[in-house]
Amino acid sequence: GEKVEQHESTLSVREGDSAVINCTYTDTASSYFPWYKQEAGKSLHFVIDIRSNVDRKQSQRLIVLLDKKAKRFSLHITATQPEDSAIYFCAASIRSNYQLIWGSGTKLIIKP
Amino acid sequence: ETAVFQTPNYHVTQVGNEVSFNCKQTLGHDTMYWYKQDSKKLLKIMFSYNNKQLIVNETVPRRFSPQSSDKAHLNLRIKSVEPEDSAVYLCASSSWGSSQNTLYFGAGTRLSVL
Repeated sequence: GEKVEQHESTLSVREGDSAVINCTYTDTASSYFPWYKQEAGKSLHFVIDIRSNVDRKQSQRLIVLLDKKAKRFSLHITATQPEDSAIYFCAASIRSNYQLIWGSGTKLIIKP
Repeated sequence: ETAVFQTPNYHVTQVGNEVSFNCKQTLGHDTMYWYKQDSKKLLKIMFSYNNKQLIVNETVPRRFSPQSSDKAHLNLRIKSVEPEDSAVYLCASSSWGSSQNTLYFGAGTRLSVL
């Protein structure tokens, strides 16, 4: 079945630097790629997504890149702040209203 | 702003007992989900309901059963809990027909099985 792999289980960056979290997927039919954030002791919430008709999307300090040839997508957080510390989950599905396949999560630590 | 409400927040029980978790959403969504998040934070879809129809039923043990009275409510019953059922159970909802199927999650119910 389809898999989504999230390569970094933990990522530590200094405050103000950029953080990059990478995911790969196996199903070439995947076309929708959302990212969710889970802060300590809290539930998940949506942060940004990208569809296969574009290769880049930005929302404030968040940038998502999609490389369909490599079946890879990544979340870039620029000018990191302490409140960016959380677990970030990537996911993929063959269309936006279809079942999501989830990555295993990346714990992002922002060091002062 | 919380719009997916789960009760209870925590539940401690013993092996073999029956437990029920409640979930209600006030977003007007037509699809609700139950996820299990284990101690390693891995997410596993358990069930989803669309307009009271079960549309996804992953290979979960038969002691788990979803119960829905209307599209705003989706409860989860575990008939006879096992130690491996200890986890956080997350309820979510979405608008299936929308172009962006964003999931809205509840705060979760943490189950501890002694």
